[in-house]
Amino acid sequence: ETAVFQTPNYHVTQVGNEVSFNCKQTLGHDTMYWYKQDSKKLLKIMFSYNNKQLIVNETVPRRFSPQSSDKAHLNLRIKSVEPEDSAVYLCASSYRVGYAEQFFGPGTRLTVL
Amino acid sequence: GDSVTQTEGLVTLTEGLPVMLNCTYQTIYSNPFLFWYVQHLNESPRLLLKSFTDNKRTEHQGFHATLHKSSSSFHLQKSSAQLSDSALYYCALLHTGANTGKLTFGHGTILRVHP
Repeated sequence: ETAVFQTPNYHVTQVGNEVSFNCKQTLGHDTMYWYKQDSKKLLKIMFSYNNKQLIVNETVPRRFSPQSSDKAHLNLRIKSVEPEDSAVYLCASSYRVGYAEQFFGPGTRLTVL
Repeated sequence: GDSVTQTEGLVTLTEGLPVMLNCTYQTIYSNPFLFWYVQHLNESPRLLLKSFTDNKRTEHQGFHATLHKSSSSFHLQKSSAQLSDSALYYCALLHTGANTGKLTFGHGTILRVHP
């Protein structure tokens, strides 16, 4: 099956803990993205990588750090989570940078207590 | 920077009535690429429509939209709403000026279709 996969589906943690989310795409795309969808459904880009190279780094707190081992994988680590980090984190990919369609994964829902 | 405005947060319709969701945008670049993404409950967003061409109607799954650069608009329309159209709809703008693939999304419009 070709798609965008994310793990875990859900994660509940306490303030100050570290969390990591994984994303893998089997579509053969070059570009991958992390988006944050908050409780009001606002959808904002956080990072994008093209063939393992970081090309977009929006104004996000420094406790967020993306990691890419190859063009099919893009992970997100959050050191010392805060309550405002509670959200759904969506991974997406596209064929090339700037290519029209972005395919989204199912998301990871993070709840920070 | 780029921005996308969706004026309605919630649109409630009776099945069979026409749908129109508004989208306007601002960008300094002359060749914007506009999209509509749809997100059904407990699903992730997926592409519904896209357009790069001024004044050309694009259609998919009964929905249509026309990019009008003169008014910076890309409104989504459908002639007859169905119950299954109930979802969250995002208008989005691709930042074409610096080849980053960055999409700027509007705040989204929830469409609720009732019998």
